[in-house]
Amino acid sequence: DVKVTQSSRYLVKRTGEKVFLECVQDMDHENMFWYRQDPGLGLRLIYFSYDVKMKEKGDIPEGYSVSREKKERFSLILESASTNQTSMYLCASSSGTRLAEQYFGPGTRLTVT
Amino acid sequence: LAKTTQPISMDSYEGQEVNITCSHNNIATNDYITWYQQFPSQGPRFIIQGYKTKVTNEVASLFIPADRKSSTLSLPRVSLSDTAVYYCLPVRKLSFGAGTTVTVRA
Repeated sequence: DVKVTQSSRYLVKRTGEKVFLECVQDMDHENMFWYRQDPGLGLRLIYFSYDVKMKEKGDIPEGYSVSREKKERFSLILESASTNQTSMYLCASSSGTRLAEQYFGPGTRLTVT
Repeated sequence: LAKTTQPISMDSYEGQEVNITCSHNNIATNDYITWYQQFPSQGPRFIIQGYKTKVTNEVASLFIPADRKSSTLSLPRVSLSDTAVYYCLPVRKLSFGAGTTVTVRA
């Protein structure tokens, strides 16, 4: 089974802090994704990566950056956390030949105070 | 960009068939439609994907008419454990909308 793990289930940070969310997949997938999920808004794509060191902006990249130095790891960075970034963050991966079949991690509930 | 529209919520009873229709008027000619299921406190799970006509797997069926402006996910004989949020999205769109909350009652 594909396994996507995220570094924390729950995280509490202060406004202005730099926050790192880590995601690791074990299926040698080319594609990796970061979403945030908010009530009533569904999942919105922040960034995705289709290869090491490659990235594409999603629908809501403002206030976020990403890093993919190794194929199995995709990091989401909040340069200066703000309260409106309090959300559930979900990471996913998919193979190069089956883009649509994404496998999701358990999510990180981030609270910025 | 293809925009999808699906009902916000649907109620059903155990043993019934549930059909969720999604509209996607501007889907690209070479794009596929995918459906996901999400339970509370979990990430979404891929259910099924199709391009045209009908696709069936062990979980659901997907009907896509010839004009491809809509698709219908069919869940046969639902049980309480099928209570979840269901999302449709074109493959290339990647972002999920608010989905359809399906509530199955005993």
